[in-house]
Amino acid sequence: GAVVSQHPSWVICKSGTSVKIECRSLDFQATTMFWYRQFPKQSLMLMATSNEGSKATYEQGVEKDKFLINHASLTLSTLTVTSAHPEDSSFYICSAMAGLDSPLHFGNGTRLTVT
Amino acid sequence: KQEVTQIPAALSVPEGENLVLNCSFTDSAIYNLQWFRQDPGKGLTSLLLIQSSQREQTSGRLNASLDKSSGRSTLYIAASQPGDSATYLCAGGAGTALIFGKGTTLSVSS
Repeated sequence: GAVVSQHPSWVICKSGTSVKIECRSLDFQATTMFWYRQFPKQSLMLMATSNEGSKATYEQGVEKDKFLINHASLTLSTLTVTSAHPEDSSFYICSAMAGLDSPLHFGNGTRLTVT
Repeated sequence: KQEVTQIPAALSVPEGENLVLNCSFTDSAIYNLQWFRQDPGKGLTSLLLIQSSQREQTSGRLNASLDKSSGRSTLYIAASQPGDSATYLCAGGAGTALIFGKGTTLSVSS
């Protein structure tokens, strides 16, 4: 089955530093990738949608300058949390799909802790 | 704007019981509906995908149905097992990103 690899699975960083999270589709070309975040005991909230080769579309309330998304190829999207703060600590999950009729496949998530 | 609601928020059952998880959505212009399982601190595992032209999907002990006219989907789990304990999320979308419900946390006791 389709596999989405997300790396790293967990990361601890100091306040003010930047963290990059990678999302790769291993056996299919992902025309669209999505980034979600999940706070404890909350549902997943969509942060942004990225299509290969174009700028990401951010959901209302998500700072595009803080959460930089790059979808440079059909198999890789990256999320960079810039100048991280403790309130950015969360569980970030990416998902990818090959097309509109395809199911979404999710990475295993990245637990970010900002100290 | 699409909103997805899941009832109940939590459910505890003894092993062997059949159970139903409910999901309702506000916008009937739904392209597909997907059920996921999430174990604590883990990512999502896709269970079943119901596309717009379909009404139900089955996989093993799981059966999911979709009624677009009423804005509802149900996930039926037969003969529940302790290993089924997890949070189950439904998500609906109009062809692109999915909007998630808050999930039903299931606990199956042996």
